[in-house]
Order: sequence, then structure tokens, then C-alpha cells
Amino acid sequence: AQSVTQLDSQVPVFEEAPVELRCNYSSSVSVYLFWYVQYPNQGLQLLLKYLSGSTLVKGINGFEAEFNKSQTSFHLRKPSVHISDTAEYFCAVSDPGGNEKLTFGTGTRLTIIP
Amino acid sequence: EAQVTQNPRYLITVTGKKLTVTCSQNMNHEYMSWYRQDPGLGLRQIYYSMNVEVTDKGDVPEGYKVSRKEKRNFPLILESPSPNQTSLYFCASSFDLAGRDTQYFGPGTRLTVL
Repeated sequence: AQSVTQLDSQVPVFEEAPVELRCNYSSSVSVYLFWYVQYPNQGLQLLLKYLSGSTLVKGINGFEAEFNKSQTSFHLRKPSVHISDTAEYFCAVSDPGGNEKLTFGTGTRLTIIP
Repeated sequence: EAQVTQNPRYLITVTGKKLTVTCSQNMNHEYMSWYRQDPGLGLRQIYYSMNVEVTDKGDVPEGYKVSRKEKRNFPLILESPSPNQTSLYFCASSFDLAGRDTQYFGPGTRLTVL
């Protein structure tokens, strides 16, 4: 079964600084990868996803992620963060051969410092 | 407006008192799922349904039941709640399988079992 690791439980970043949230998954075989965001007191919403094609994936709100098969990583980046980016970010993975289930990481809480 | 609704949003109950959390979506989605979110553990799937009358266990199904009698509704039933079921619960839906398609999440139900 696939698993996903988000090593950083909390990341504080100054406003307008760049940020990278790290995500590593367990298997080097084909995977589908997702990043979801949860704003305070809300449900999750999709930021971006990688199914195939270009390894650089662009999402909403200026976020992007790069699929790196050799390092089994799918790190999320934004060049300049805003106060409104304060949220919890979840990386998730599924197996294309049995993708009725999505496995989530434990989440990274991004705090933007004014 | 396309949405997933859950009721109630907050619930405090006592051990052993049966309860149902409702979930409804208005997007004609085939796939629906229930997750629980606990600090440090991320989201874990409880049950999912790929269509009417088709349900299957997720990663943490013990102590829960579900039914899918209509396409739009997917209630979560706790027949004898226990304190270890205190958690934040999310319902989600998608056109296609969760591991391939964008999931739309409800606002969450915060359950406390005393």
C-alpha cells in the first residue's frame, strides 16, 4: 500500500517570502499525487494534482509542485506567500491500479508571519 | 451552488447513544467517502461508495456503518459511539474514483463522545 510522509508538521514563513512544503511517497512505481489545502474551519479543497505528463504542475493561488520520480517526492512551492495562505496543507497519493482510495499525509501547518 | 453538506456541524453525545451524521451532494457524483481527521494522523478513510448500494471499507471502518440508498446521500452511522471516536469528520464526493479525480469536501462535523 502506498504511504506518504510530510516531515514538517509546522512551517512558519514571513509574508512575501518563498515557501516549500515537502512531501515524499513510499513507492517508485506509478503513482497519482495530490495537494489539498484546508483553511481554518473549512473542508479541504484541491490545490493541484499530478496524474501524468509534465512533472511541473501548476495549481490555484500561485502554487506549483514538481513530481520527482527518482526521489519519490512531490514538494509544493510558492515564490511569495500571503497572509491568506495560512492553512494546513495535505499531500496525498494513490495507486493508479487501484485508485478508489486516496492516502493522505499527516499535514503541514503553514503560518504566515506579517 | 455545487456543494457537499453535512449535518450536524457540531455534536456532543455520550457513550453508547446511536447517532447519524448526514451527508448530501448536489453534483450528481458517483463516488462518496467518509474521512476522520485527528491531530498528527491526517485524514483517514472510514468508508467509501462507488455508486448506489455499493459501499466498501476504508482504512478505519471499525465502529462505523454507512448506507447509499440514493446517489446524493451517504450517511455515517455510529451505532454505539465510544470516546475514541471523538474526531473531526469529513464527507467528500467526486465524479470518478478518489484516487484519480478531484474530491469535494463538506465543511466537517466535529463530534465529541463523552
